[in-house]
Amino acid sequence: EPEVTQTPSHQVTQMGQEVILRCVPISNHLYFYWYRQILGQKVEFLVSFYNNEISEKSEIFDDQFSVERPDGSNFTLKIRSTKLEDSAMYFCASSEDRIYGYTFGSGTRLTVV
Amino acid sequence: DAKTTQPPSMDCAEGRAANLPCNHSTISGNEYVYWYRQIHSQGPQYIIHGLKNNETNEMASLIITEDRKSSTLILPHATLRDTAVYYCIVRVHNQGGKLIFGQGTELSVKP
Repeated sequence: EPEVTQTPSHQVTQMGQEVILRCVPISNHLYFYWYRQILGQKVEFLVSFYNNEISEKSEIFDDQFSVERPDGSNFTLKIRSTKLEDSAMYFCASSEDRIYGYTFGSGTRLTVV
Repeated sequence: DAKTTQPPSMDCAEGRAANLPCNHSTISGNEYVYWYRQIHSQGPQYIIHGLKNNETNEMASLIITEDRKSSTLILPHATLRDTAVYYCIVRVHNQGGKLIFGQGTELSVKP
């Protein structure tokens, strides 16, 4: 069964550093998403991406965050200057269209120290 | 997107059917009902979705009431591996596509 692949599985970074979280969505999917989940809290939407542009973003997705699809396969989330409160699991997801369910990756655990 | 209400937790015996309810009394005519689950700290997993009619796939069945104000996810023969948090989400399919996750129902399947 096709999978969404996320790397790394765990990243530790110092406060103020830049991090890039990487995702390889399912090959024929057109819609891409990032979500995050702070430990013990709900899964929160960050951003959706379609046709090489952001289609929707949440209040969490401020100027410190950016997304990119640099080639035909990768989808990245960049946090420019990490804060302690950015520590969370970050999930990438993709979908074939807007009706079908998403396929989520297994996540990257980001720890900011 | 319409708000959903789910019980915070439920237990189910292994091998029995698990029936997970969801209320979405403010659902609009063009909003779909989606179910996802999250096992431990893994990524959420899509289960099933529907608009008006009942739906069945290899994982589960979705029963939507005629007035669409509530639905039930049925796992016909629950196993220990079905222990997870189950999320009922309603959304319009032609928007940006974001899912709004609530607290969900924590289902514990017991031997």
